[in-house]
Amino acid sequence: ETGVTQSPTHLIKTRGQQVTLRCSSQSGHNTVSWYQQALGQGPQFIFQYYREEENGRGNFPPRFSGLQFPNYSSELNVNALELDDSALYLCASKGDRGSGANVLTFGAGSRLTVL
Amino acid sequence: GESVGLHLPTLSVQEGDNSIINCAYSNSASDYFIWYKQESGKGPQFIIDIRSNMDKRQGQRVTVLLNKTVKHLSLQIAATQPGDSAVYFCAERNYGQNFVFGPGTRLSVLP
Repeated sequence: ETGVTQSPTHLIKTRGQQVTLRCSSQSGHNTVSWYQQALGQGPQFIFQYYREEENGRGNFPPRFSGLQFPNYSSELNVNALELDDSALYLCASKGDRGSGANVLTFGAGSRLTVL
Repeated sequence: GESVGLHLPTLSVQEGDNSIINCAYSNSASDYFIWYKQESGKGPQFIIDIRSNMDKRQGQRVTVLLNKTVKHLSLQIAATQPGDSAVYFCAERNYGQNFVFGPGTRLSVLP
């Protein structure tokens, strides 16, 4: 059973640019969530996808968008990058049966630095 | 709005002692809580969970206590080891909605 994998692990962008982060969910998991974790803080919920549709969103502007694909992999897109977007972006997946329906399994994250 | 906070941002304990990490939550409607451990350079890792209809749950060397009256959650780690050094987050879920994480407590284990 593979875990949650994210790419890239690190990247540097400049203000105004766009970025796409990718995530492969754990096998058998059909729900994926994205979190932003600023340095020294807890993860903040961005949005969640279930069967390719967004079914929950946190307090993030529309320039944060996502996709979930039929194989349950996912992308996070951020347009018009700002300095405050510098953070660790975490992808998490969960299933819909038993304990897997509750517990989020996290990837190691993508560290984004905006200059 | 929902929020989850921690009483102490840092905690230092001697190796072999017990650790207690506290968490206050504000949403009385939250039905499920999880403690996560995050080591440097890694994503959060599940430690233990508890539903709102329980007040205590035990795992291997860890115990979670839930006091719904004062909206307080704690994580107890028995015989703390160097490998327990990490940042610990509590997270609450409001009836199937997203998880809200606290700011975290950094646990340092002293030799």
